[in-house]
Amino acid sequence: QVQLQESGPGLVKPSETLSLTCTVSGGSISSYYWTWFRQPPGKGLEWIGYIYYSGSTVYNPSFKSRVTISVDTSKKQFSLKLSSVTAADTAVYYCARHEYSSSSALRKFDYWGQGTLVTVSS
Amino acid sequence: DIQMTQSPSSLSASVGDRVTITCRASQSISIYLNWYLQKPGKAPKVLIYGASSLQNGVPSRFSGSGSGTDFTLTISALQPEDFATYYCQQSYSTPITFGQGTRLEIK
Repeated sequence: QVQLQESGPGLVKPSETLSLTCTVSGGSISSYYWTWFRQPPGKGLEWIGYIYYSGSTVYNPSFKSRVTISVDTSKKQFSLKLSSVTAADTAVYYCARHEYSSSSALRKFDYWGQGTLVTVSS
Repeated sequence: DIQMTQSPSSLSASVGDRVTITCRASQSISIYLNWYLQKPGKAPKVLIYGASSLQNGVPSRFSGSGSGTDFTLTISALQPEDFATYYCQQSYSTPITFGQGTRLEIK
């Protein structure tokens, strides 16, 4: 059974960089896209971006140049860095696996981490 | 960006009821539409992908339909564990976007 687990600081100061890591267990990191989402308290889901196991990335333009997602296949981990954070970046951050086919409608986020709350505050 | 709009935003129903939730896309997304269920404090769980395909392990009381811009999620007979928030999500193009959610509550 594939499992994902987020880790990282739960408190980040304004203007600093939020850094999270997602560790994948129980399955291969190859041939999938690995994704970050967030959900502000009481609000809906927002896609941040994803990375293919080979390292190619696609980001949500709303994050402009603040976001970087990287992957370490040897450790079966992928990471999120979000710079210049403000209180608006306070949210539960989720990592997820994206099963994707370019030739069919098989495009779904089928395994998720439990989520980690990151609070931006001084 | 493709905007996804769900209706209703909230819904009260009883165990055993048949419930339908609607999702509309701001442009055609073919059948690239997924449905998720989220319980408080938990990660979302995929129910339906490709508009109508049932995810492995999901009970058959859940079904999805639609194509283009209009989609529906139907729960044929509500069970106590179904009371949660439901989200639609388009996978047609990036940025990937979700509906605002439909909160299903016990009447």
